[in-house]
Amino acid sequence: QMQLVESGGGVVQPGRSLRLSCAASGFTFSSYGMHWVRQAPGKGLEWVAVIWPDGSKKYYVESVKGRFTISRDNSKNTLYLQMDSLRPEDTAVYYCARHVGGGSSWDYWGQGTLVTVSS
Amino acid sequence: QSALTQPPSVSAAPGQKVTISCSGSSSNIENDYVSWYQQLPGTAPKLLIYDNNKRPSGIPDRFSGSKSGTSATLGITGLQTGDEADYYCGTWDSRLSAGRFGGGTKLTVL
Repeated sequence: QMQLVESGGGVVQPGRSLRLSCAASGFTFSSYGMHWVRQAPGKGLEWVAVIWPDGSKKYYVESVKGRFTISRDNSKNTLYLQMDSLRPEDTAVYYCARHVGGGSSWDYWGQGTLVTVSS
Repeated sequence: QSALTQPPSVSAAPGQKVTISCSGSSSNIENDYVSWYQQLPGTAPKLLIYDNNKRPSGIPDRFSGSKSGTSATLGITGLQTGDEADYYCGTWDSRLSAGRFGGGTKLTVL
């Protein structure tokens, strides 16, 4: 069955880096756009980034532009989020999600990985 | 501040119907598809509606979606206590080239 499993979260000091991974299984990973969505503690969902199936296009929310990089390795069925210059406001549960349909819809989500940015 | 506006909370009795609104603009809802998500406490969001009014396999027809102009609506009929959750709308914003979610609506089934 279809599965997305995030890893790489943890506690990190402000200004440091972290790389999240999302391992996909149960579907043809290389055929789907993939997104990262985050949720700060007690807050709503915030879209973070998207990458096209072939990696040709990438888009980011304004607050992470220049600091975060989304990438994928279709040979390993894995999505990544490189997070640099982390700030306390980046503290959140980070979900990877699969794109579906004609617009921005996300049909499968991972369980999330918690990133805490604190000194 | 979310680009999409939802009411913070709605409530209704078991068996009744409730609607949740999602208001946006010409750069998002009016010119792109809308999706809806249910999030139970401590769990990942679950897709309820995509492409404005389509239900994924396994989602009961108690859940419905519609869109008109710059607004969209999620309808839930035959409310059950298990429907108590946070609900989010989502879409793409062509002006920002970014995904967008509403601020979320907490549904209470009284």
